[in-house]
Amino acid sequence: DGGITQSPKYLFRKEGQNVTLSCEQNLNHDAMYWYRQDPGQGLRLIYYSQIVNDFQKGDIAEGYSVSREKKESFPLTVTSAQKNPTAFYLCASSITLTDRDGYTFGSGTRLTVV
Amino acid sequence: DQQVKQNSPSLSVQEGRISILNCDYTNSMFDYFLWYKKYPAEGPTFLISISSIKDKNEDGRFTVFLNKSAKHLSLHIVPSQPGDSAVYFCAARFGNQFYFGTGTSLTVIP
Repeated sequence: DGGITQSPKYLFRKEGQNVTLSCEQNLNHDAMYWYRQDPGQGLRLIYYSQIVNDFQKGDIAEGYSVSREKKESFPLTVTSAQKNPTAFYLCASSITLTDRDGYTFGSGTRLTVV
Repeated sequence: DQQVKQNSPSLSVQEGRISILNCDYTNSMFDYFLWYKKYPAEGPTFLISISSIKDKNEDGRFTVFLNKSAKHLSLHIVPSQPGDSAVYFCAARFGNQFYFGTGTSLTVIP
C-alpha cells in the first residue's frame, strides 16, 4: 500500500533543543511539503521540495530546516530558533508541484515543547 | 493574512439532511479549488475539486459550487451520513502553492 508515513505521532521537546520530524513516502511523488497547523488557523506552508536536493521556503520557514537527499524522504528539523514550536505538523506529497489532484497527507506529528 | 477563510468553525446537521460548508477567498488569481476531509488523528484526504473555469462539480453525494464574482466556494453533502462527521478544509491554488482554510467541523447527528 502506497502512502506517507510520519513519525513519531507525538513528540515532546525541551526548550532549546532541536528535534527532527520524519516523513517518508513510497508513492514515487516528486514534490513534498511540510505544513503546520495551529488552533483556529489553516495549514501554513513551512517548506516544500520539487525534486531531490532542492527545497524552497514557504510562508513560515523561520526556525525550521529541511533536507531532501532522497526522493522518498523529507525530514523537518525544528530548531531552537523557532519561537513557538508547539503545533501539529503535517507532511504531504504530490506527483508534481502543480499536480491538480492535490496532495496526499501523512497522519501528522504533534509536537509539544515542555 | 488569511487568503482562504472558513468562517464557521463547526456545523451540526441531522442525518439525511443537506450539509453546506462554506469557504470565502480573497485572491482572484486562484485557479483551482479543493475540499479535503480530515478525521481525528489522520491526515486530510482529498474529497472533490473544481477548476476556476467551472461553477459546479458533482461526485456522488458531494457537490462543490464556485461563485467567482463573490469569491465564494461551497460544499454540499446530500444526504448527510454519520460517517461524514469530520473536519473539512477548503484549499485554493495560486502558482505552485495551495492555501488552506481553517476548517469546519461537521457533526452529523443520527
